[in-house]
Amino acid sequence: KAGVTQTPRYLIKTRGQQVTLSCSPISGHRSVSWYQQTPGQGLQFLFEYFSETQRNKGNFPGRFSGRQFSNSRSEMNVSTLELGDSALYLCASSSRLVRTPSTDTQYFGPGTRLTVL
Amino acid sequence: AQSVTQPDIHITVSEGASLELRCNYSYGATPYLFWYVQSPGQGLQLLLKYFSGDTLVQGIKGFEAEFKRSQSSFNLRKPSVHWSDAAEYFCAVGGLTDSWGKLQFGAGTQVVVTP
Repeated sequence: KAGVTQTPRYLIKTRGQQVTLSCSPISGHRSVSWYQQTPGQGLQFLFEYFSETQRNKGNFPGRFSGRQFSNSRSEMNVSTLELGDSALYLCASSSRLVRTPSTDTQYFGPGTRLTVL
Repeated sequence: AQSVTQPDIHITVSEGASLELRCNYSYGATPYLFWYVQSPGQGLQLLLKYFSGDTLVQGIKGFEAEFKRSQSSFNLRKPSVHWSDAAEYFCAVGGLTDSWGKLQFGAGTQVVVTP
């Protein structure tokens, strides 16, 4: 089975721009979670989508948004970029058909490295 | 407050020596527990997980972890490290009430392997 894929792998943007990152989950997985990783704050949960609906959200400003499509692929968008948004953005998928420990296990993609200048 | 603590930010170990990474959590109930490894510039790879049952869990790459409820700990061990084990290791908790799809991570432990 192919793993979680994220595109693009690297992005350079300037302050004030917006960016869209894409995540394709493992085939058959219906839940996609997004995380931000920075040296100062570590790994922080952004949000989770399941069946095209946001089910959970972390403590990030409204500039961070996402969506999920019917094929479970997900995108996250960051508007009005700030220097502090420079980070590795990780996406993870889990099957989550029924909530059990096994289906709750998250598998991560390689990440998108976003640099804001 | 709910938290995951990895007390060691950085560990240096000689190749062939044993390795133990510590993880403590603070939650009302026993959460699901995970260890992930991250090589430079890469995503997170799942090493092992604990949900219930046998408190000694075997994972990939020769790693194991032991859950101790009395100490709220889930320490990761490897009997003999290889140079390829140099990476950052993260302990995470999940399966929390009203926290679907959310993992809470420790700060990570950077492991350096010397010849």
